[in-house]
Amino acid sequence: DSGVTQTPKHLITATGQRVTLRCSPRSGDLSVYWYQQSLDQGLQFLIQYYNGEERAKGNILERFSAQQFPDLHSELNLSSLELGDSALYFCASSVTRETDTQYFGPGTRLTVL
Amino acid sequence: QKEVEQDPGPLSVPEGAIVSLNCTYSNSAFQYFMWYRQYSRKGPELLMYTYSSGNKEDGRFTAQVDKSSKYISLFIRDSQPSDSATYLCAMSAWTGGSYIPTFGRGTSLIVHP
Repeated sequence: DSGVTQTPKHLITATGQRVTLRCSPRSGDLSVYWYQQSLDQGLQFLIQYYNGEERAKGNILERFSAQQFPDLHSELNLSSLELGDSALYFCASSVTRETDTQYFGPGTRLTVL
Repeated sequence: QKEVEQDPGPLSVPEGAIVSLNCTYSNSAFQYFMWYRQYSRKGPELLMYTYSSGNKEDGRFTAQVDKSSKYISLFIRDSQPSDSATYLCAMSAWTGGSYIPTFGRGTSLIVHP
């Protein structure tokens, strides 16, 4: 158990809908990262927050947004969902802004029908 | 050409064998090099982390980085069935706000008794 929690574990929804994925980092970790893992694209970095501020952006679609709250938990919002958004979404946390020791959560499996 | 290339396998070996996993990369800006292990339906787990060229050993695992050839390797000695998993290489470069990793597609390893 990495200490990073993600909810829900599974999510099944329809095209055009909006969903929110939640992540609680390990106690003391200030950085949260979001990743998308699909069979055809592999593990792709989406966005990073450090102590409430956005630090880095990867290949995140405009339909996707995230935020980190004062208690350091983070939410990833996915809207106008398409079939291609079906994937595993991972959250990871680390103490610093760097990726030297990054702990991954168990992931949320999103299925868009 | 992808920034990070990794043979997806599967690689099947008998128990006790020495396993060699490799990645090549094209971006000279990569500074940190990591290996993750991912069991089925789980989040990636950091195994090894290196900064400079050379070898780093941790138990049965040895990570090797050759920056001149843009080539990294992970060696697993005395492989066990419990090592059966997907192994992801990752390397990160400074983005101006943080070090962000780029992942290989992963190599599936099967260690049979």
